[in-house]
Amino acid sequence: GQQLNQSPQSMFIQEGEDVSMNCTSSSIFNTWLWYKQDPGEGPVLLIALYKAGELTSNGRLTAQFGITRKDSFLNISASIPSDVGIYFCAGQSGGSNYKLTFGKGTLLTVNP
Amino acid sequence: DVKVTQSSRYLVKRTGEKVFLECVQDMDHENMFWYRQDPGLGLRLIYFSYDVKMKEKGDIPEGYSVSREKKERFSLILESASTNQTSMYLCASTWTGSAYEQYFGPGTRLTVT
Repeated sequence: GQQLNQSPQSMFIQEGEDVSMNCTSSSIFNTWLWYKQDPGEGPVLLIALYKAGELTSNGRLTAQFGITRKDSFLNISASIPSDVGIYFCAGQSGGSNYKLTFGKGTLLTVNP
Repeated sequence: DVKVTQSSRYLVKRTGEKVFLECVQDMDHENMFWYRQDPGLGLRLIYFSYDVKMKEKGDIPEGYSVSREKKERFSLILESASTNQTSMYLCASTWTGSAYEQYFGPGTRLTVT
């Protein structure tokens, strides 16, 4: 089946630093989504991307839909302690009945 | 705001028991999903439903069944729980007009002993 390779697996940063993470695939996706999951909670949708090359922001978060449609990037600027959590990418390819393929997540730790 | 609720946050069951996990959404969404989440394996789709009484198998349906009698409610059933079904179970929903933006519930952490 389709797979999404998400990297890095984990990051340890200082408060105030910027963060970048990405997802890549050998398959083309029509939609990319980014979620954040706090410990013991369900994932929360951060950003949805629908067009190749699209760049979308949500506060300090910016995500891009790669021009090849095989990758996506998430950037967090000026990190704060509440950014801690697991960030997941998810992709949807055509004809999959609303099914999403998820990456395995990036665990972000922010040191105050 | 979309609200997806799950019947229990934590559940402990014995091997062989029949287990019901319930999910309710309040946004009139057509599509509902059940996932399990395990360390190192990410989210894996068990079943989904795109309408009342309609269901489709996901990637790992073995050992599970589902029921959708009402639009707002989607139940996951473990017919005979086994220890390898110990996991975090997540329900999600989405409406057909924005079919890929799935909204998740808080999850049920199930332990089978």
